[in-house]
Amino acid sequence: DAGITQSPRHKVTETGTPVTLRCHQTENHRYMYWYRQDPGHGLRLIHYSYGVKDTDKGEVSDGYSVSRSKTEDFLLTLESATSSQTSVYFCAISEGGGSGANVLTFGAGSRLTVL
Amino acid sequence: GQNIDQPTEMTATEGAIVQINCTYQTSGFNGLFWYQQHAGEAPTFLSYNVLDGLEEKGRFSSFLSRSKGYSYLLLKELQMKDSASYLCAVKDSNSQLIWGAGTKLIIKP
Repeated sequence: DAGITQSPRHKVTETGTPVTLRCHQTENHRYMYWYRQDPGHGLRLIHYSYGVKDTDKGEVSDGYSVSRSKTEDFLLTLESATSSQTSVYFCAISEGGGSGANVLTFGAGSRLTVL
Repeated sequence: GQNIDQPTEMTATEGAIVQINCTYQTSGFNGLFWYQQHAGEAPTFLSYNVLDGLEEKGRFSSFLSRSKGYSYLLLKELQMKDSASYLCAVKDSNSQLIWGAGTKLIIKP
């Protein structure tokens, strides 16, 4: 198995509280991604990283921030959680990020419920 | 806008063949991916097509027609473990992946 782990796997929190999800990889892959998955929608990219301290926004980045201080860790932070951020969050990694068959390997997911 | 269309749900019988279609309208094209996702689990890579034609991998095959903006995933000799969602994703001209909402495949004995 590709070494990619997410924590926590499940979290229930209240509206307005900060939440941080962690993604850790042991594959030394350059690219890391945070997606959210909601019923009736395809996976939607929140933010991605193409190296240490190099990050960029995805299509649904509002309300989220990320940090990557080490190759192996990519953190997703919800500064003030809202009910619309209730979702399953997936971290993914890939060796490359440009055109071509850069296959994504996904973590097991983090289920977040905001009450 | 960019759009990927797949049927929401399909049902098939164990041992049979099923074809899951995917049509896309994107800003450019840099490849099409199929992923499998069992309920409550992470998506896992199945296939990649960038040129027109059929790619075969065991019981699974994937077809691409770039001129028609169309792909299908063909699953043969269906097994109960093939019950899952199948996600189609297209890489656009900016190398961003655009995902379909997925097709839930139900296999009946």
